[in-house]
Amino acid sequence: AQSVTQLDSQVPVFEEAPVELRCNYSSSVSVYLFWYVQYPNQGLQLLLKYLSGSTLVKGINGFEAEFNKSQTSFHLRKPSVHISDTAEYFCAAISNFGNEKLTFGTGTRLTIIP
Amino acid sequence: EADIYQTPRYLVIGTGKKITLECSQTMGHDKMYWYQQDPGMELHLIHYSYGVNSTEKGDLSSESTVSRIRTEHFPLTLESARPSHTSQYLCASSWGPGSEAFFGQGTRLTVV
Repeated sequence: AQSVTQLDSQVPVFEEAPVELRCNYSSSVSVYLFWYVQYPNQGLQLLLKYLSGSTLVKGINGFEAEFNKSQTSFHLRKPSVHISDTAEYFCAAISNFGNEKLTFGTGTRLTIIP
Repeated sequence: EADIYQTPRYLVIGTGKKITLECSQTMGHDKMYWYQQDPGMELHLIHYSYGVNSTEKGDLSSESTVSRIRTEHFPLTLESARPSHTSQYLCASSWGPGSEAFFGQGTRLTVV
């Protein structure tokens, strides 16, 4: 089974500043990795995913993430944030072997300061 | 746009009532999940299914039950609602490994 750790529960950032949301995972087998965003009173929406290939993954809304196997990390980044990016962000992982279930981190609340 | 639907979106119900939260998807996904989430908090997996007639309990113990008689339908039932069941319930589905999970809009349940 795998586990996901999001190191920051809350991240305040000024508008137009860059942001990085951190995610580390642990697994004894290869995993697929995801970042989801949740706006208030909504379900989760996929931002981006890493399955294989290039370690830099680009997603929607200008977000990108880099898979680092040696550091078992999958940090999410955006070079310039906007007020509309205020939301909860969840990192998730699933083993690519067998009938494993999707595992989520505890979430990071991103607050954009005008 | 994901084709996964949850009804109702909001529900206020009295203690002791039986309720069923509906979740349907039209994508033919085999895997379906139920998560419980308190406001601003993490998601807790309470039930999942790998296909018809397959259901498993998740990481968080729950007094709810689920069924999977049809691929597209994965309802969650509480036989006797209590205030401690007040929460948001999120349903999701996916093809399997390598495929992202698609989420419904959630059902916000309040038991008074």
